[in-house]
Amino acid sequence: QVQLVESGGGVVQPGRSLRLSCAASGFTFSSYGMHWVRQAPGKGLEWVAVIWYDGRNKKYADSVKGRFTISRDNSKNTLYVQMNSLRAEDTAVYHCAREGELRLGKLSPFDYWGQGTLVTVSS
Amino acid sequence: SYVLTQPPSVSVAPGQTARIICGGNNIGSKSVHWYQQKPGQAPVLVVYDDSDRPSGIPERFSGSNSGNTATLTISRVEAGDEADYYCQVWDSSSDHWVFGGGTKLTVL
Repeated sequence: QVQLVESGGGVVQPGRSLRLSCAASGFTFSSYGMHWVRQAPGKGLEWVAVIWYDGRNKKYADSVKGRFTISRDNSKNTLYVQMNSLRAEDTAVYHCAREGELRLGKLSPFDYWGQGTLVTVSS
Repeated sequence: SYVLTQPPSVSVAPGQTARIICGGNNIGSKSVHWYQQKPGQAPVLVVYDDSDRPSGIPERFSGSNSGNTATLTISRVEAGDEADYYCQVWDSSSDHWVFGGGTKLTVL
């Protein structure tokens, strides 16, 4: 069965960096686009970034552009996000999510999600 | 940037029908997806492409989309449907995925 397991969260001071990982299993990782979505405590979902199945294209939310870098290692079935210059407002649970199968002319919804890893940015 | 607006809360008695709306400028021209999130759990896709259901999702969950409003309808509501529900679209003008603010469904 499809599994997505995030790791790497923790408490970090403002301005510092952190790298999150998402280990994927139960499917052909290299065939799917992957996303990071975050959820601040008590708040709604916020899309963060996407990387295409082959890693050639990446897009970011305006709130993280220039500070976060999404990447993947298809040989290790793992998704990453490097988070630099962290701010208090980056405090959230970070979920990785799989975008559904490629479709002609239409993007697919997020069909599997991980439980998330909590990042707390605080001095 | 594109904005999706949802009511913060909806309440319904068991066995009744819950309707959760998602407003956006000309949202009828986009594909809308809906997610259910229970406390402490990951979101689950319940409706995609306005009105399709993934396998395993009960027929009680349905969706529609027209004009400036998309609607998630849950028929014969059960206690287990109590959760937060989020709508989502792809905004092609910004190349960003967008979520609505979420609606908390309370089963009375």
